[in-house]
Amino acid sequence: QKEVEQDPGPLSVPEGAIVSLNCTYSNSAFQYFMWYRQYSRKGPELLMYTYSSGNKEDGRFTAQVDKSSKYISLFIRDSQPSDSATYLCAMGGAYNTDKLIFGTGTRLQVFP
Amino acid sequence: NAGVTQTPKFRILKIGQSMTLQCTQDMNHNYMYWYRQDPGMGLKLIYYSVGAGITDKGEVPNGYNVSRSTTEDFPLRLELAAPSQTSVYFCASSYRAQETQYFGPGTRLLVL
Repeated sequence: QKEVEQDPGPLSVPEGAIVSLNCTYSNSAFQYFMWYRQYSRKGPELLMYTYSSGNKEDGRFTAQVDKSSKYISLFIRDSQPSDSATYLCAMGGAYNTDKLIFGTGTRLQVFP
Repeated sequence: NAGVTQTPKFRILKIGQSMTLQCTQDMNHNYMYWYRQDPGMGLKLIYYSVGAGITDKGEVPNGYNVSRSTTEDFPLRLELAAPSQTSVYFCASSYRAQETQYFGPGTRLLVL
């Protein structure tokens, strides 16, 4: 079983739709949860950062962490064609490791 | 503040050739990482460093070598290039372990 599981997509939605992206994980020691956005032929860039459980909102983006279910989500409201990218979840904070664990990424396409 | 820079952007190598991928960060980060990204496979950690003079293997270190003589630079050396090393290589840095990593723009490598 992978430490972090993420549906690769592609997920194709019309402009204005609400998008839900998800990751599940197996290591209950994770404390830091991140979402990165990666445009085609670019490096990943941090989109959202959450420590421990709860919600965090930034504009059209909301990140949710449910540690009891080992499940994290990223919601995008009023999706735009410019949101078309690959979204990677990442987790850290486990003991005895200096590394983040990344999901494989979900490719999102928002069509006009 | 340039962040993380990588050179070259693109390179074609013949089987058996060697090359060094350069990575520099100007954020005074202690931690630096090298990843490779293959289509649909997410980011795989090759090597990482927790400070000048200290490096450690990641998930896929075979065929690669690193050094960290300064805080700013973390070059990745490929010896005896093989077609399996065709990939996109990303360098990243962070101030502390398991926290936000900042990525460079990537180096596309094709081994023929």
